[in-house]
Amino acid sequence: DTAVSQTPKYLVTQMGNDKSIKCEQNLGHDTMYWYKQDSKKFLKIMFSYNNKELIINETVPNRFSPKSPDKAHLNLHINSLELGDSAVYFCASSQRGGPHGYTFGSGTRLTVV
Amino acid sequence: DAKTTQPPSMDCAEGRAANLPCNHSTISGNEYVYWYRQIHSQGPQYIIHGLKNNETNEMASLIITEDRKSSTLILPHATLRDTAVYYCIVSSGAGSYQLTFGKGTKLSVIP
Repeated sequence: DTAVSQTPKYLVTQMGNDKSIKCEQNLGHDTMYWYKQDSKKFLKIMFSYNNKELIINETVPNRFSPKSPDKAHLNLHINSLELGDSAVYFCASSQRGGPHGYTFGSGTRLTVV
Repeated sequence: DAKTTQPPSMDCAEGRAANLPCNHSTISGNEYVYWYRQIHSQGPQYIIHGLKNNETNEMASLIITEDRKSSTLILPHATLRDTAVYYCIVSSGAGSYQLTFGKGTKLSVIP
């Protein structure tokens, strides 16, 4: 069983489209995250979310929105895709309230053409 | 969160110990040192974390200096599969804490 799974693994889409990336974790963790890794390989936090709080990195455009139907899922919805959104997006999860490690998914490579 | 400084790259011979240094001179008393690695195109992988004491697990050892201003990750017998970017991160680990990744150290294990 994959602990943190993301779908799709690859996504190619045109500018202006709206797309979603799905993430599911089966670790029983209560906090989930989205990270973006750009072409220069920098990993940047976008969101952290549990059922009590959503923390948004202020540099994230409001075209990006996290949606969590339940504790085990955190999807990333992106409106009006732009060329600069091309990157690898990683989902992660951890348990709140302690110095626990994160578990990351294998990533979704988004290419906007 | 305190910032960290790591060398951009290191080489290590296969089978030898890889010692990866990290400086975190502004670390606060309640902040942990975390190590992650990212093997090409994969998601980052948690390795180990520590507060004050040295730590060891099946993957690596973490040595933290007494003043906590620096630490060293030790891979005791490096293999080719250990070639990756290694990230040293300092964070309180409290609440919904966020990990801020720097540039890391690119470790190349050489046959």
